[in-house]
Amino acid sequence: QVQLQESGPGLVKPSETLSLTCTVSGGSISGYFWTWIRQSPGRGLEWIGYIYYTGTTNYNPSLKSRLTMSLDTSKNLFSLELTSVTAADTAVYYCARGEGWFGGQYDPWGQGTLVTVSS
Amino acid sequence: EIVLTQSPGTLSLSPGERATLSCRASQSVSSNYLAWFQQKPGQAPRLLIYGASSRATGIPDSFSGSGSGTDFTLTISRLEPEDFAVYYCQQYGSSPLTFGGGTKVEIK
Repeated sequence: QVQLQESGPGLVKPSETLSLTCTVSGGSISGYFWTWIRQSPGRGLEWIGYIYYTGTTNYNPSLKSRLTMSLDTSKNLFSLELTSVTAADTAVYYCARGEGWFGGQYDPWGQGTLVTVSS
Repeated sequence: EIVLTQSPGTLSLSPGERATLSCRASQSVSSNYLAWFQQKPGQAPRLLIYGASSRATGIPDSFSGSGSGTDFTLTISRLEPEDFAVYYCQQYGSSPLTFGGGTKVEIK
């Protein structure tokens, strides 16, 4: 079955760029919305955005100015870059496969990776 | 942006009891694109219900979703020990997609 695995640094300094990758195994990138969601005690679950398998993106307006998502179909992975991070970006970051309207039916999810923003 | 309010914040029940969780939207959810997720400590959320009332693959029929417009309900007909967790609703009818704050179902 399809499995997703996040990878990337667990610690990022303020004002720097947070970069994460999600590797998809057991299935194809085609036909789905590849989504990033984060969770923190203060903000709960927050939809970050998605990249459709065609390369079309849809970002949360609250993050749009700092956010870039990309897709590498040859390696079956997708990535997130969030610039100019602050402590408010500290969270567990999940990747998920989405389908349905706006890709809102997330299944499966990665296990999540904790990213802490601190000097 | 649609704001989702879940109630109650915590539900204390015994195994075998019925759980009723509420999710209210600040405006109508387009085409009832409302999902429910279950999250256990240290784990990612798991999709239970989509389209307000359709069960995801592998989800037991003890879980059911209902509602339309701005008011939605997740019902667990008979709580099993593994059902004690936090439950979130999420609307995906309009962007940005948004989640509710969660309801914790705890053992009484």
